[in-house]
Amino acid sequence: AQSVTQLDSQVPVFEEAPVELRCNYSSSVSVYLFWYVQYPNQGLQLLLKYLSGSTLVKGINGFEAEFNKSQTSFHLRKPSVHISDTAEYFCAVSAGAQKLVFGQGTRLTINP
Amino acid sequence: DTGVSQNPRHKITKRGQNVTFRCDPISEHNRLYWYRQTLGQGPEFLTYFQNEAQLEKSRLLSDRFSAERPKGSFSTLEIQRTEQGDSAMYLCASSPKTSGGLNTGELFFGEGSRLTVL
Repeated sequence: AQSVTQLDSQVPVFEEAPVELRCNYSSSVSVYLFWYVQYPNQGLQLLLKYLSGSTLVKGINGFEAEFNKSQTSFHLRKPSVHISDTAEYFCAVSAGAQKLVFGQGTRLTINP
Repeated sequence: DTGVSQNPRHKITKRGQNVTFRCDPISEHNRLYWYRQTLGQGPEFLTYFQNEAQLEKSRLLSDRFSAERPKGSFSTLEIQRTEQGDSAMYLCASSPKTSGGLNTGELFFGEGSRLTVL
């Protein structure tokens, strides 16, 4: 069975600073990887996904993530954050294209 | 494309009562999923359908929970004899086939139905 570990439950950063949200997964088979964002009082929205091909994937709102198979990681990065990026971020893995398994989430707080 | 629709958005009930949630997926999506999310946690898988067939059900789902997707379109999730521990956000999501005929597991979520059991 697959699992996802988000290494930081909360990440506070200053506006315009870079940020990295860490995600590690475990699976015995090939995986598809996703990052979702949940703004306050809203549903989950897809930020980006890795299905195959280039290991660096770009998503919405200037976010990108890199798939590292040897380290079983899929860390999310943004070079300069904005107040509007304040949200909960979830990493998720799908193995065998059955169901998504989510991490516990990382709360990103942007301070002015 | 109107997205995934869930109702009711909020439900407050007394312990022991039955509740039912409805989910209308994106029309061309063949898979429909139910997840549960509690405060400060990631979504937890409950069950999923491919068309009208229920393909997997979480072992965490007690016998008080039942889900249906009778015609492969909308789905209902019923909780019988609710308990305070059932208080959570119930999320529905749908998933399309790719142009190659495969499902990648990418989910499109609704806004959720928040259940409060008093």
